Amino acid sequence: NAGVMQNPRHLVRRRGQEARLRCSPMKGHSHVYWYRQLPEEGLKFMVYLQKENIIDESGMPKERFSAEFPKEGPSILRIQQVVRGDSAAYFCASSPARSGNTIYFGEGSWLTVV
Amino acid sequence: GEDVEQSLFLSVREGDSSVINCTYTDSSSTYLYWYKQEPGAGLQLLTYIFSNMDMKQDQRLTVLLNKKDKHLSLRIADTQTGDSAIYFCAEGGTSGTYKYIFGTGTRLKVLA
Repeated sequence: NAGVMQNPRHLVRRRGQEARLRCSPMKGHSHVYWYRQLPEEGLKFMVYLQKENIIDESGMPKERFSAEFPKEGPSILRIQQVVRGDSAAYFCASSPARSGNTIYFGEGSWLTVV
Repeated sequence: GEDVEQSLFLSVREGDSSVINCTYTDSSSTYLYWYKQEPGAGLQLLTYIFSNMDMKQDQRLTVLLNKKDKHLSLRIADTQTGDSAIYFCAEGGTSGTYKYIFGTGTRLKVLA
């Protein structure tokens, strides 16, 4: 029973490039969440998605960041024109339903912008 | 606003008990969680406590919840060098919320 799968685990991008992070939820889970962990900080909520729907993106930066969870395939967090301040660990989590259930985190994707 | 606070560092000797403390502000939180993160690794859910409980024990881990003071603690008995990591407290589950609020983490260093 595989957990939440994220890839790549480590990604290096030059300033101005695009970063794409992928997340496959646990089997049977239809809700996906993205969190960001800046260096030396705790995780902060970014976005909550269900299949083909963005439910809550209140934690997403207004520009350059987007997320999707298509009908088929993994959820993708996309960062355009990356800057050094985007360097962080990006964690995906999933749950079978929203109300009251624990969410399960993946291993994270570490983005380094050089 | 909602906030979760933890002390940044804790150092203990191998074999001693470690107590990691956390305070939170949202009294309506349904669940409170403890996660462990080793360097460069993901989050490992250690344990959680439902808000109507005072204590939960799981092998070497004991969680105490003082809801009146909004204080949560994690006690690790017989601390081992493998317990060295960052420990995050998080609150969540309020009315089904997925927006966990994490503390900044406590870095536990276990001295041999």
